[in-house]
Amino acid sequence: DAGITQSPRHKVTETGTPVTLRCHQTENHRYMYWYRQDPGHGLRLIHYSYGVKDTDKGEVSDGYSVSRSKTEDFLLTLESATSSQTSVYFCAISEVPPIAGGRNEQFFGPGTRLTVL
Amino acid sequence: AQSVAQPEDQVNVAEGNPLTVKCTYSVSGNPYLFWYVQYPNRGLQFLLKYITGDNLVKGSYGFEAEFNKSQTSFHLKKPSALVSDSALYFCAVRAPDTDKLIFGTGTRLQVFP
Repeated sequence: DAGITQSPRHKVTETGTPVTLRCHQTENHRYMYWYRQDPGHGLRLIHYSYGVKDTDKGEVSDGYSVSRSKTEDFLLTLESATSSQTSVYFCAISEVPPIAGGRNEQFFGPGTRLTVL
Repeated sequence: AQSVAQPEDQVNVAEGNPLTVKCTYSVSGNPYLFWYVQYPNRGLQFLLKYITGDNLVKGSYGFEAEFNKSQTSFHLKKPSALVSDSALYFCAVRAPDTDKLIFGTGTRLQVFP
């Protein structure tokens, strides 16, 4: 999985508790992304980062925050988890922004299965 | 706004037969198009991409895809399916001036022996 690890791989938590998911890369790629995968929705972008301390919102960012203090780590935090945030969370990285001839593809981590009871 | 449609939730094909997984897109400007595959309990793996050039793109595991600008489609194909091709397939599009990929809802490919 292209030098990307996610931790934890599985987590069960209760509504209202804070949760932090970690994505760690060893590829030194500039761009990092957090997605959630839900049946019938495919993958939806939560937040992404285009450099250390540079982040932006995706299409489903409500209830989530992110931080990137080092190139290799991108943290996703659920400040107060809700049952609607039960999902599988994927981190992805890419080397460059979209340019013709460049390596535009994203590489994905193994995922974190989060259950909020 | 960008969007991707995968009209089939599931595609069933017999081993050895050709397969097609459909994808249509909507984006302003020239699209960057991708196919990914997801095996059970794994992350997505990159299969192939179209950025510019030849409309027929060849990728991993014998897959190919044809970019059709007039039909705004990017269908995934393989001449002879294998049981091991059974997985979830995602089409994705990126507009040239953005950093984000938009994914389709996925198509489950089932190849029967």
